[in-house]
Amino acid sequence: EVVMTQSPATLSVFPGERATLSCRASQSVNSNLAWYQQKPGQPPRLLIYGASTRATGIPARFSGSGSGTEFTLTISSLQSEDFAVYYCQQYNNWWTFGHGTKVEIK
Amino acid sequence: EVQLVESGGGLVKPGGSLRLSCAASGFTFASSYTMNWVRQAPGKGLEWVSSISSSSAYIYYAVSVRGRFTISRDNAKDSLFLQMNSLRAEDTAVYYCARGEYCSGGACYLDYWGQGTLVTVSS
Repeated sequence: EVVMTQSPATLSVFPGERATLSCRASQSVNSNLAWYQQKPGQPPRLLIYGASTRATGIPARFSGSGSGTEFTLTISSLQSEDFAVYYCQQYNNWWTFGHGTKVEIK
Repeated sequence: EVQLVESGGGLVKPGGSLRLSCAASGFTFASSYTMNWVRQAPGKGLEWVSSISSSSAYIYYAVSVRGRFTISRDNAKDSLFLQMNSLRAEDTAVYYCARGEYCSGGACYLDYWGQGTLVTVSS
């Protein structure tokens, strides 16, 4: 099983600042990596697929990078609506979700 | 607009059964979309449960539910189902129906999700 490790577990950021979230795979998942955003009481929303392609309607302040085992989600300038939990998911070798990074207001 | 609407959740006793449904609209359900169930226990992360390919030719289950849950779909009625038997307390979760946009080796990324339906297994 591919283990996905997200760090940090919680990220405290001022509005307007940049946020950098990390996701590491225990073995290569090529670029078969997605990022989701989830707000309380809502379903997850797809942000990024293929490690770096923004999903439809996702603002340009969200960007993904990486391949193989190391991936990053960057939010260039945090807006109030961006405070949420973010999950990575690999779909290269079966299914694995990371445990999530909570982005909270500092 | 793509919409996925789950129903059928509720409170059930351990060992009981429940059948979840997901009504799809806004896209051609019978075309090349793998449909999926993903669950989230209260306060926890996401766990993939089961997948079914567009023609129902390929069906997969998580180890935790294999032999107890059965996924199916009715392409004529744009509907996805999850029959859950022998339910356990650890099956308590919000169950999401989600569309697989691209799948690699049986796993997909999920581009649309329903709002979820809560299943509570408790005596």
